[in-house]
Amino acid sequence: AQSVAQPEDQVNVAEGNPLTVKCTYSVSGNPYLFWYVQYPNRGLQFLLKYITGDNLVKGSYGFEAEFNKSQTSFHLKKPSALVSDSALYFCAVRDGYGNNNDMRFGAGTRLTVKP
Amino acid sequence: KAGVTQTPRYLIKTRGQQVTLSCSPISGHRSVSWYQQTPGQGLQFLFEYFSETQRNKGNFPGRFSGRQFSNSRSEMNVSTLELGDSALYLCASRGTVVETDTQYFGPGTRLTVL
Repeated sequence: AQSVAQPEDQVNVAEGNPLTVKCTYSVSGNPYLFWYVQYPNRGLQFLLKYITGDNLVKGSYGFEAEFNKSQTSFHLKKPSALVSDSALYFCAVRDGYGNNNDMRFGAGTRLTVKP
Repeated sequence: KAGVTQTPRYLIKTRGQQVTLSCSPISGHRSVSWYQQTPGQGLQFLFEYFSETQRNKGNFPGRFSGRQFSNSRSEMNVSTLELGDSALYLCASRGTVVETDTQYFGPGTRLTVL
């Protein structure tokens, strides 16, 4: 079965600095990887996804993520953090092997960007 | 296009009661999934419906059930509520059930069980 891990509960960065939120995954077939962001009292907003092709995926709000098959990772990055990026970030994976696979989410990483 | 909508946004119930939550997917989307989000367990998959049929189910007791209507709107029901059912219940829709299709989430229903 597919699974995903976010090894950091909390990431703190200063405004203007680059940020990285880490994600590793485990699947039987091809991984389909997603990043979502959740603001307080809101649902999850889609940021980006990797299906196939270029390992660097660009998404909403200046975020990008790098797929690394050998390290089974899909880290979320942004060159210059904003205070408004402070939120809860979720990595998710769906396994391309088998049928009726549900989407599995990591535990989430709380990003705090300080002015 | 309007996003995924969920009603009600907030609910307070007491133990033993039952509750029904509603989700309207993005127009044209035929798949609806439900998730439970709690601080301790994170986001857990409940079930997915496509064309009025349940196609996948998570590891939840039978007290949790759902259905989908011909217009793709979905309802989730929890019977005999327990304190541990207090959570944010999220609904997500996607156009198809292709693995690569993106899910879009609603704002959630915050259920508090007293």
